[in-house]
Amino acid sequence: AQTVTQSQPEMSVQEAETVTLSCTYDTSESDYYLFWYKQPPSRQMILVIRQEAYKQQNATENRFSVNFQKAAKSFSLKISDSQLGDAAMYFCAYRSATSGYALNFGKGTSLLVTP
Amino acid sequence: KAGVTQTPRYLIKTRGQQVTLSCSPISGHRSVSWYQQTPGQGLQFLFEYFSETQRNKGNFPGRFSGRQFSNSRSEMNVSTLELGDSALYLCASSLVQGARSEQYFGPGTRLTVT
Repeated sequence: AQTVTQSQPEMSVQEAETVTLSCTYDTSESDYYLFWYKQPPSRQMILVIRQEAYKQQNATENRFSVNFQKAAKSFSLKISDSQLGDAAMYFCAYRSATSGYALNFGKGTSLLVTP
Repeated sequence: KAGVTQTPRYLIKTRGQQVTLSCSPISGHRSVSWYQQTPGQGLQFLFEYFSETQRNKGNFPGRFSGRQFSNSRSEMNVSTLELGDSALYLCASSLVQGARSEQYFGPGTRLTVT
């Protein structure tokens, strides 16, 4: 079974600064997808960014970018120019491309943004 | 397009009772997945339905069951409720089954078992 580990239970960043959230995963598969989801206090899970394992280029979505290191099985999320609205729980998730398709989530990182 | 809707949003039940939660996917989406979120266990996959058939199931006891209707709406049922079933139950829909199909989550149903 694939496991996803987020080693930072909490992180803090000042408004307009940059923060990086860490995620590592364990898998024997070669074809899979990785995701970062944001869960604000409303509890609505929102997709932030996704990365296909077969793509070497790191995904970017506006202020959000990832550093995908396939050999190291590492998938970190960088948030640039942090805003108060970025405060939320962030979950890293793994999804097999060949079997099951269920999302396997990490335990999450709580991000606090201070003015 | 309307998002994924879940009803009810909040529910309080007594241990031993049963409960049914409902999920209406985004129009045109045919796959529905259910997840349980608790502070202790985090987010765990329950099951996935596609074209009215259960395609995938997580590691949960048989008290947890579900179904999908011809209009893709899905229900999940928990029988003989236990205190540990208190959780946020999230439903996610996608256009088709498969890893490449994006999952969109609903707002969740908060179940409290007393």
